[in-house]
Amino acid sequence: AQSVTQLDSQVPVFEEAPVELRCNYSSSVSVYLFWYVQYPNQGLQLLLKYLSGSTLVKGINGFEAEFNKSQTSFHLRKPSVHISDTAEYFCAVGSNTGNQFYFGTGTSLTVIP
Amino acid sequence: KAGVTQTPRYLIKTRGQQVTLSCSPISGHRSVSWYQQTPGQGLQFLFEYFSETQRNKGNFPGRFSGRQFSNSRSEMNVSTLELGDSALYLCASSWAQGIRTEAFFGQGTRLTVV
Repeated sequence: AQSVTQLDSQVPVFEEAPVELRCNYSSSVSVYLFWYVQYPNQGLQLLLKYLSGSTLVKGINGFEAEFNKSQTSFHLRKPSVHISDTAEYFCAVGSNTGNQFYFGTGTSLTVIP
Repeated sequence: KAGVTQTPRYLIKTRGQQVTLSCSPISGHRSVSWYQQTPGQGLQFLFEYFSETQRNKGNFPGRFSGRQFSNSRSEMNVSTLELGDSALYLCASSWAQGIRTEAFFGQGTRLTVV
């Protein structure tokens, strides 16, 4: 069985401060991990993904995530956030049998000016 | 190139009615997946189509169905609508099966059942 837990439902952070959004996963098969962002009234946009190889993954808009197999985590980080980063962030684990994602419940990031 | 297009963007239906939502994938993409997004349940997988065949199905009642046409466009149908079917329905397309190929999401269709 595959599942994802996002530990924080809401994260407020001041502009230009660093942020970490936490994600833990459970998977009995090969692990494919993703972070998506959703802006208001929009679909999901891929930020980054881990399929294999280097455990530090860099994505768009200055975001990065680290795959930690021993802690079953895939936390998302950004060293300095902007107002435009205000959005809902979803962590997901992918099924290797098709294009099926198991999403976490999302973390609402609010950047405070 | 054009992204994933979902129509309509907004829909209001009455309980008991049926509804059809449409998804046009990115040109060349052959896989289409559907998700339901609600505040209470989050994002849940409905089904996936590839080359006109349903490849995967989530845990939803039989009132939810879908199909894919030869041009890869997909429709999903919900019959006998319930209040709890109110949600944002998202479609994602990718050029092949397999999670290693990137999935692109549309803006969604917001369905309100009254």
